[in-house]
Amino acid sequence: SQELEQSPQSLIVQEGKNLTINCTSSKTLYGLYWYKQKYGEGLIFLMMLQKGGEEKSHEKITAKLDEKKQQSSLHITASQPSHAGIYLCGADAGGYSTLTFGKGTMLLVSP
Amino acid sequence: DADVTQTPRNRITKTGKRIMLECSQTKGHDRMYWYRQDPGLGLRLIYYSFDVKDINKGEISDGYSVSRQAQAKFSLSLESAIPNQTALYFCATSDSSGGNTEAFFGQGTRLTVV
Repeated sequence: SQELEQSPQSLIVQEGKNLTINCTSSKTLYGLYWYKQKYGEGLIFLMMLQKGGEEKSHEKITAKLDEKKQQSSLHITASQPSHAGIYLCGADAGGYSTLTFGKGTMLLVSP
Repeated sequence: DADVTQTPRNRITKTGKRIMLECSQTKGHDRMYWYRQDPGLGLRLIYYSFDVKDINKGEISDGYSVSRQAQAKFSLSLESAIPNQTALYFCATSDSSGGNTEAFFGQGTRLTVV
């Protein structure tokens, strides 16, 4: 079965600093999804990447997909307290149309 | 109103009790899923349904059952709850016609089995 490893597991950054979260798959990626979760709440869809080399941005969050490395990165520029939460990557588990998720990266942004 | 609604939002139950978690959606999606989230283990798939007549076991289906009463409703049952089923449960939906597996999540049900 496909496994997704996220790094780091947790991260504390000072407001205004940049940060990167990585997601590495054990198998070929057919589609990579990034979600954000506030503690104890539902998951909010951020963006989806499907093609190698694809890069998408939403406000100050940019995600890239490196198909050869089977890896995606999520980069936040000039972090704000509103960016705090748990970031999860999800991938289509071998084309079965169900999502397998990483264990998440908890981000705290200090003032 | 939320597109994917889970009820109840919180529940405390005793070991051995039967409990049902309900999920309804207004998105018109054909696919529905149940996940559980545990600290340090991430989200794990329990059951999924691609249409009303299609039910599939996920990664951790033991101890659970589901019912797809209609396209918009998908319920999860614990026939005899046990403490290690204490977790945050999420229902999700997706649309097969979209060509991707983008899933939309409910707000979650926090279940505690004592």
